Amino acid sequence: GQSLEQPSEVTAVEGAIVQINCTYQTSGFYGLSWYQQHDGGAPTFLSYNALDGLEETGRFSSFLSRSDSYGYLLLQELQMKDSASYFCAVRDSGGYQKVTFGTGTKLQVIP
Amino acid sequence: ETGVTQTPRHLVMGMTNKKSLKCEQHLGHNAMYWYKQSAKKPLELMFVYSLEERVENNSVPSRFSPECPNSSHLFLHLHTLQPEDSALYLCASSQVQETGISGNTIYFGEGSWLTVV
Repeated sequence: GQSLEQPSEVTAVEGAIVQINCTYQTSGFYGLSWYQQHDGGAPTFLSYNALDGLEETGRFSSFLSRSDSYGYLLLQELQMKDSASYFCAVRDSGGYQKVTFGTGTKLQVIP
Repeated sequence: ETGVTQTPRHLVMGMTNKKSLKCEQHLGHNAMYWYKQSAKKPLELMFVYSLEERVENNSVPSRFSPECPNSSHLFLHLHTLQPEDSALYLCASSQVQETGISGNTIYFGEGSWLTVV
């Protein structure tokens, strides 16, 4: 089976940098994705890593280490609107679109 | 606007009722999904339809019955639900490549909040 672990809550100050970690166990691995979900809204795709290393998209970066089964999402220059839940998700080799999500990390950005 | 529209946004139903959730995607994708989101639990994959064929049924109770009449529409028929079925039900879509491996991005609708009383 698949399981993902991430912290349940993180609080950070506006303008700061925050890192949200994700460790996973999966029976096959195609990539690690990150999604953002604001309260009452739909999860929206942020980033995807299939290979080791850092992917940067504006203020957001995502890192993957396949040997450690570990990844993180880095948010820089935090803004109040970044307050949301962040989910890591893994695609595995066990089916067409088998994507398993973590429990999510609720990020609160404070002034 | 994510390109995936769900109705109704909120639904309250009794345990003996029959209702349906509807999903429509305007992205030209060929795969659609139902996920269940409960408080403090991971997003749970319920059903996957790829090219209008159900390819995943994740041990979901038979009181949930999906229907995919075409690649743009997906329904979740509900009957004799239990209070523990109260949750946010999310529809999503993606583009499946010819190899059967989907693209990296799943596009979600805003969900239908279901309360079973």
